[in-house]
Amino acid sequence: EAGVTQFPSHSVIEKGQTVTLRCDPISGHDNLYWYRRVMGKEIKFLLHFVKESKQDESGMPNNRFLAERTGGTYSTLKVQPAELEDSGVYFCASSQWGHSRETQYFGPGTRLLVL
Amino acid sequence: GQQVMQIPQYQHVQEGEDFTTYCNSSTTLSNIQWYKQRPGGHPVFLIQLVKSGEVKKQKRLTFQFGEAKKNSSLHITATQTTDVGTYFCAGRFLSARQLTFGSGTQLTVLP
Repeated sequence: EAGVTQFPSHSVIEKGQTVTLRCDPISGHDNLYWYRRVMGKEIKFLLHFVKESKQDESGMPNNRFLAERTGGTYSTLKVQPAELEDSGVYFCASSQWGHSRETQYFGPGTRLLVL
Repeated sequence: GQQVMQIPQYQHVQEGEDFTTYCNSSTTLSNIQWYKQRPGGHPVFLIQLVKSGEVKKQKRLTFQFGEAKKNSSLHITATQTTDVGTYFCAGRFLSARQLTFGSGTQLTVLP
């Protein structure tokens, strides 16, 4: 069974540009989460999809971030326009049922550097 | 807000020494998970603790969940160079689905 995949693995862009990150969850997992780790700090929750619906987006830092999950399969996270403080590692995780005891499986992350 | 604090931030040990990392939550947790991230890698699930006072072992790793479900620890006995990485605790607060991560403990094992 394939794990969570993310693309690209690395992205280097200039301030003001747009970047789109993609996450493909484990097949059959309805729950998809985005997290990010900036500047060696803790990994922080961004948002949670259940299928194509945003269940919780309380962690999204501001309106420069837009997440979508059309069709309830893969998800994209767009940053527009990117700022220096957006640099970090963006992780995607998925789980099947989404209940409180369920394990979330993490993807390899996208390392974003904004210059 | 609800936070999970983790200490220490860094730990250097000689191979063969023991290692412990601790997590404390501001409020009661539903459960707590532990992850290991190798340098350049991504968090890999190790274990989940659910019950008050629970203790689980995986070979040289011992995981504990406090009686009040507000703290947890990971203890590694006789560290090996393969134990190198950052260990994160991640708690779920009551009625929450997302994980709240501690800041991680970066373990270096000197041969």
